[in-house]
Amino acid sequence: GAVVSQHPSRVICKSGTSVKIECRSLDFQATTMFWYRQFPKQSLMLMATSNEGSKATYEQGVEKDKFLINHASLTLSTLTVTSAHPEDSSFYICSARGIQGGTYNEQFFGPGTRLTVL
Amino acid sequence: SQKIEQNSEALNIQEGKTATLTCNYTNYSPAYLQWYRQDPGRGPVFLLLIRENEKEKRKERLKVTFDTTLKQSLFHITASQPADSATYLCALNTGGFKTIFGAGTRLFVKA
Repeated sequence: GAVVSQHPSRVICKSGTSVKIECRSLDFQATTMFWYRQFPKQSLMLMATSNEGSKATYEQGVEKDKFLINHASLTLSTLTVTSAHPEDSSFYICSARGIQGGTYNEQFFGPGTRLTVL
Repeated sequence: SQKIEQNSEALNIQEGKTATLTCNYTNYSPAYLQWYRQDPGRGPVFLLLIRENEKEKRKERLKVTFDTTLKQSLFHITASQPADSATYLCALNTGGFKTIFGAGTRLFVKA
């Protein structure tokens, strides 16, 4: 159980285009989803937190107009990188967490999406 | 300032030995702490969660301890195998939505 999928796993795009990444919780309801980016040999950097049906909360320094997050259902969140530039090239990872019995459960991660902007 | 520190240097051990990884934190009062494994180019995989009122948690060859006085968690892998080679991340949650990750420690297990 507790599987999170991410699609696509790799994407290469031209500068100026937009890229959408999907994150799905396959066997549980994710009340909260998180989006991270990770540079080589560095830790996960939280970009934003989203709760189903409400607007995402962005971390300081993350442009909300550039990284659009939609958490339309309890099993799906999307991250759209708008007008991507080479500096947006990174490894993007989503994570999902549900609530059972009034306490937060473990956080489960997707396999990540490698974005390369040419 | 708030900090999570994991050994930045890689840990090299011989197969069959116990690997011990350290996670220290300052200026946090975590409600619980998690350990993850991450392989290159992959998302982290959840291993264990330990709550603030728990001293120790075990799962197969894994053991986690949590000392809120020392502000430290230790992660042990007993009878280590080359397949255990990966980066191990510790993560703190203070009871809200946000989880804060350490930079991870790279473990190499030699056959």
